[in-house]
Amino acid sequence: NAGVTQTPKFQVLKTGQSMTLQCAQDMNHNSMYWYRQDPGMGLRLIYYSASEGTTDKGEVPNGYNVSRLNKREFSLRLESAAPSQTSVYFCASRELLGTDTQYFGPGTRLTVL
Amino acid sequence: GEDVEQSLFLSVREGDSSVINCTYTDSSSTYLYWYKQEPGAGLQLLTYIFSNMDMKQDQRLTVLLNKKDKHLSLRIADTQTGDSAIYFCAVLNQAGTALIFGKGTTLSVSS
Repeated sequence: NAGVTQTPKFQVLKTGQSMTLQCAQDMNHNSMYWYRQDPGMGLRLIYYSASEGTTDKGEVPNGYNVSRLNKREFSLRLESAAPSQTSVYFCASRELLGTDTQYFGPGTRLTVL
Repeated sequence: GEDVEQSLFLSVREGDSSVINCTYTDSSSTYLYWYKQEPGAGLQLLTYIFSNMDMKQDQRLTVLLNKKDKHLSLRIADTQTGDSAIYFCAVLNQAGTALIFGKGTTLSVSS
């Protein structure tokens, strides 16, 4: 049981390049999330998916797109990277039973030059 | 709007108690959470409290909830250098769709 996994762990892009961050969970959770973490800003929600086939915007969705490929996988795409998107990106999934806890992946550290 | 506020820094000496405070605005949370983030790592659930409880004790951790004042605190007894990390308070948003996090409190423990 790996929990929530993310790839890659590190990435450096040039302005204007595109890339997709991958996330997968093996806990059979319906809900999945993408956050970004910036110094002094805490975690801000980019997009979330309440269930397979649905996605919704969070607090800071501009410049990003997401795909809920299946129940396990939720990817985040930067179509044209900008330096303001330099951040640490975390994926999470949430169990809706029991304690309603969100479980986080280890993060992707992205630098846009 | 929905908001979670925490102080940004706390510095204590090894062996002392640490108290991290959090206030929140609106929430539909049945549970309220404390997460811990060690350097270079993701967030891990540290503990949680059911919204109908005033207090929860879990070994060295004590969580206090004042629902009337919308105030949550985390007390770490006998703080160790290994407790140095960022601690996040989190509550569910009003829509019940996602957690809202505070900006995190950086706990520094000196020996």
